[in-house]
Amino acid sequence: EADIYQTPRYLVIGTGKKITLECSQTMGHDKMYWYQQDPGMELHLIHYSYGVNSTEKGDLSSESTVSRIRTEHFPLTLESARPSHTSQYLCASSPSKEDYNEQFFGPGTRLTVL
Amino acid sequence: GQNIDQPTEMTATEGAIVQINCTYQTSGFNGLFWYQQHAGEAPTFLSYNVLDGLEEKGRFSSFLSRSKGYSYLLLKELQMKDSASYLCAVMDSNYQLIWGAGTKLIIKP
Repeated sequence: EADIYQTPRYLVIGTGKKITLECSQTMGHDKMYWYQQDPGMELHLIHYSYGVNSTEKGDLSSESTVSRIRTEHFPLTLESARPSHTSQYLCASSPSKEDYNEQFFGPGTRLTVL
Repeated sequence: GQNIDQPTEMTATEGAIVQINCTYQTSGFNGLFWYQQHAGEAPTFLSYNVLDGLEEKGRFSSFLSRSKGYSYLLLKELQMKDSASYLCAVMDSNYQLIWGAGTKLIIKP
């Protein structure tokens, strides 16, 4: 069973607040990902990392930042939350095999911005 | 552009068989994944195909035809707990996953 954790599980916050969504994994995976998913819609890649001190932008990255100071930790920060950020945020990790890249997902954070 | 197509919703009867199709157009191909996602939960891995043909794993099987850009997930002996969304995802030439919107499968008694 995958060991990847996200906190908080649910968050309700007002517009303009700065928030950080936490993600940690204990599997020693080098690759980590943040996705945004609205109900009934596809996953959109926000940011990803191939290892410590590596971060890359995905499709929806312009309003958030990430850091990867430790292998196990990959937090996502929204500098100024807006109602359009209301969504489910999923963190995932995978081992560093280019030919097989199964991703293990955390339980998700459901964010509501009022 | 890159595109993954799968039906939005399907309905099947408990104990029956259902096939969920997925067609894709991507820049490069490094494998196709199927994930299961129950409502409000995270996706969980079901299968991976990189070569043409059928991969069987218990009640679930997945088929791939690279020349046709086509895959299907076959679920046998359906159980009520199989009610979920099934996500098709293709790994492109940059080893990034391109996700479909998912097929919501409803199982009726």
